[in-house]
Amino acid sequence: EVLLLESGGGLGQPGGSLRLTCVGSGFTFSDYAMTWIRQAPGKGLEWVSAIGSSGTPTFYGDSVKGRFTISRDNSKNTLYLQINRLRVEDTAAYFCAARSPAIVLWGTSDFDHWGRGTLVTVSS
Amino acid sequence: QAVLTQPPSVSGAPRQRVTISCSGSSSNIGTNAVKWYQQIPGKAPKLLIYYNDLLASGVSDRFSGSKSGTSASLAISGLQSEDEGDFYCASWDDSLNAWLFGGGTKLTVL
Repeated sequence: EVLLLESGGGLGQPGGSLRLTCVGSGFTFSDYAMTWIRQAPGKGLEWVSAIGSSGTPTFYGDSVKGRFTISRDNSKNTLYLQINRLRVEDTAAYFCAARSPAIVLWGTSDFDHWGRGTLVTVSS
Repeated sequence: QAVLTQPPSVSGAPRQRVTISCSGSSSNIGTNAVKWYQQIPGKAPKLLIYYNDLLASGVSDRFSGSKSGTSASLAISGLQSEDEGDFYCASWDDSLNAWLFGGGTKLTVL
């Protein structure tokens, strides 16, 4: 069974930083692309970032470019999201998801597994 | 960045059929495959449909997907109360180099 467990959420101050972590198990982590998706309270899903199976390529949504950095450590089956210059509008549940290796072809694959999410709250 | 347009809400009586539309453009739905997700409040989204019209494993065949041009649709037949939730379409956008979600559609079973 594919399992993804996010951690690292919590209360952050505007302008501060947080690092989210997602540990995968039940699949060969290094074979799959990974992605972060967030959902603000009461709002819809917003794709945040994606990373290829070996660490490249990386892609970012417009609202987070320049502030968020996605990375992975395949030796630890772990995905990261470094969030800098926190904004109030970054408040959301952050989900990690495992996807097929070819990012641009995600729509064609049923390999699509999500974690339960970790909540980030940005407030002074 | 949501450039996939869905109706905010749909509703139907038990045993009826409803459809949810998802309108995009030539750089996303017009070129790439569409997925559909169901999300129950407080839970992670669940994949329903991939590659436009293929049913994900374990998903009821009351759900079906289709795509035509730059639009896609999700149909739910034989509505049941357990179908209530939020539904999202998604597709890759070649111009933005981004994975896009629609704004979501809330389904209410009357």
